[in-house]
Amino acid sequence: AQSVTQLDSQVPVFEEAPVELRCNYSSSVSVYLFWYVQYPNQGLQLLLKYLSGSTLVKGINGFEAEFNKSQTSFHLRKPSVHISDTAEYFCAVSGTGNQFYFGTGTSLTVIP
Amino acid sequence: GAVVSQHPSWVICKSGTSVKIECRSLDFQATTMFWYRQFPKQSLMLMATSNEGSKATYEQGVEKDKFLINHASLTLSTLTVTSAHPEDSSFYICSARKLGGGFQETQYFGPGTRLLVL
Repeated sequence: AQSVTQLDSQVPVFEEAPVELRCNYSSSVSVYLFWYVQYPNQGLQLLLKYLSGSTLVKGINGFEAEFNKSQTSFHLRKPSVHISDTAEYFCAVSGTGNQFYFGTGTSLTVIP
Repeated sequence: GAVVSQHPSWVICKSGTSVKIECRSLDFQATTMFWYRQFPKQSLMLMATSNEGSKATYEQGVEKDKFLINHASLTLSTLTVTSAHPEDSSFYICSARKLGGGFQETQYFGPGTRLLVL
């Protein structure tokens, strides 16, 4: 079975500062990892995904994430955040089945 | 590409009535669609997996007679909340996986439907 833990429920950060949103997963099989962003009253938008290959994955809006198998982590980073990055961020893992397992989400608030 | 729409975007209904929510893949075919439920400030919980032309697979604890799912075509799945009650009020989100996509394929999410049962 797979599971995802997002260690921080809320992350406030000043505009133009760097940010890291943490995600750890557990799985007994090969995993595929995703980060999604959800703006208020909207569905989820894919930021980036790791399927295989390079462990550093670049996504949209300047975000990137690094897959670390030894630490079972897939942390999301951005070197300089904007006000428009304020949103809920979900880490998700899928394995060999249909289901995506989502973390509980991290609320990113960018402070002007 | 890979746009998923949901209709309606929000609905208010009286307790005891039934509500149908549509999920459409607009520019691709989807053999598999998923229905999620999200409570305020919480994560998405998978309710059921819908495969075109076959019965949906429900997650443990989800009442299949209450949440009827129909996947009649490769671009449309519907979720009907029967005899809705206030505790069914939630944000319902669907997602779709492209035809031929494997289990690692990205799921494309709809914008969600907010249901309020009075």
